[in-house]
Amino acid sequence: EAQVTQNPRYLITVTGKKLTVTCSQNMNHEYMSWYRQDPGLGLRQIYYSMNVEVTDKGDVPEGYKVSRKEKRNFPLILESPSPNQTSLYFCASMGGSGRSSYNEQFFGPGTRLTVL
Amino acid sequence: AQSVTQLDSQVPVFEEAPVELRCNYSSSVSVYLFWYVQYPNQGLQLLLKYLSGSTLVESINGFEAEFNKSQTSFHLRKPSVHISDTAEYFCAVIPGGSYIPTFGRGTSLIVHP
Repeated sequence: EAQVTQNPRYLITVTGKKLTVTCSQNMNHEYMSWYRQDPGLGLRQIYYSMNVEVTDKGDVPEGYKVSRKEKRNFPLILESPSPNQTSLYFCASMGGSGRSSYNEQFFGPGTRLTVL
Repeated sequence: AQSVTQLDSQVPVFEEAPVELRCNYSSSVSVYLFWYVQYPNQGLQLLLKYLSGSTLVESINGFEAEFNKSQTSFHLRKPSVHISDTAEYFCAVIPGGSYIPTFGRGTSLIVHP
């Protein structure tokens, strides 16, 4: 079954304590991305990756890091979390080539992060 | 830069009634258009998309959307909704050749029995 998995699904932490949210896809997609979803704001892209070792900033990258050492994994790292990073986070992947890449879009189930 | 406006934050309807969720966008370049659905406590699912060709696109569960270039709109419609359609719906645009989407703020569709 094609899927994007995220862990953990729920996380409560304190300000300044480094954390990593993992994301993995089993579809051999080249493109992966991270979003945060906040009430009334929709989804905003944090970072994206076009392939292994290729990452770039989205709309709201401040306070986040990512890495893409393997095609299937795209972890999101918060080096020093702050309360304004309390949010619902989604990982996504997209596959195919050219215009058809937009046909295959999969989102993970989400990670609800609370930073106290 | 692109922007997406979903004009209604919440749309309540009765079961079997028709519904239209509105989406307008602005962009200085050509864009691809998408609708996503998010059921409670789940991630987003791609509902339908417009990439090129026929301006009327349909999904497998009865939704359709029409791309109107002159009005820069991509409204989502369904002639008869079910309770199970209750969800959050997001409109998004991606500039051609890009992989950075811009999402609207979402419309909550609430279907009453």
